[in-house]
Amino acid sequence: GAGVSQSPSNKVTEKGKDVELRCDPISGHTALYWYRQSLGQGLEFLIYFQGNSAPDKSGLPSDRFSAERTGGSVSTLTIQRTQQEDSAVYLCASSLAQITANYGYTFGSGTRLTVV
Amino acid sequence: DAKTTQPTSMDCAEGRAANLPCNHSTISGNEYVYWYRQIHSQGPQYIIHGLKNNETNEMASLIITEDRKSSTLILPHATLRDTAVYYCMLNSGGSNYKLTFGKGTLLTVNP
Repeated sequence: GAGVSQSPSNKVTEKGKDVELRCDPISGHTALYWYRQSLGQGLEFLIYFQGNSAPDKSGLPSDRFSAERTGGSVSTLTIQRTQQEDSAVYLCASSLAQITANYGYTFGSGTRLTVV
Repeated sequence: DAKTTQPTSMDCAEGRAANLPCNHSTISGNEYVYWYRQIHSQGPQYIIHGLKNNETNEMASLIITEDRKSSTLILPHATLRDTAVYYCMLNSGGSNYKLTFGKGTLLTVNP
């Protein structure tokens, strides 16, 4: 597609349930990133995928969070046993390469997750 | 992001140029200046970036001072759709791929 596509755009879930968030990056973009943005807060890095390399998971806040990227394209972020503090906008971005000095990131519109 | 300082908010009349300042007095020699913006309920949008020379693209111009301690993003003819939070950030690329946004500047374009 022309841009980074995320689904669903909005998700309301009950505390304790599992959720899956999907990201379709721009075709040909080898780098994929997940961030989250809480109300009034800045961006929080979660995870980074680059080609076939091992992902950088250093930003995942707990072991309830995991992410996969299948076939170097679509990525799924899974949150198990959701908590209210998980409520945020989850943003996916992709770029042509890891080297951000040469390329800006293209972000999706995000998934707004509300845990009630 | 403590490395950049931006005004909290600015107003601009539609059709006029919007000049958004950013101070980055502790910038390192290999750090680029990046600008993103975030329109309400959307993801951040890349605008422009530069190292030391002034840059221009279809969206904006970026003016970086000679000492690189500050920069200005210029939207030459602001429209109502340019109302957004504008973020200035520094990044050296390579393994430094984790973006860090500060609080940014809320630009409101008025009719």
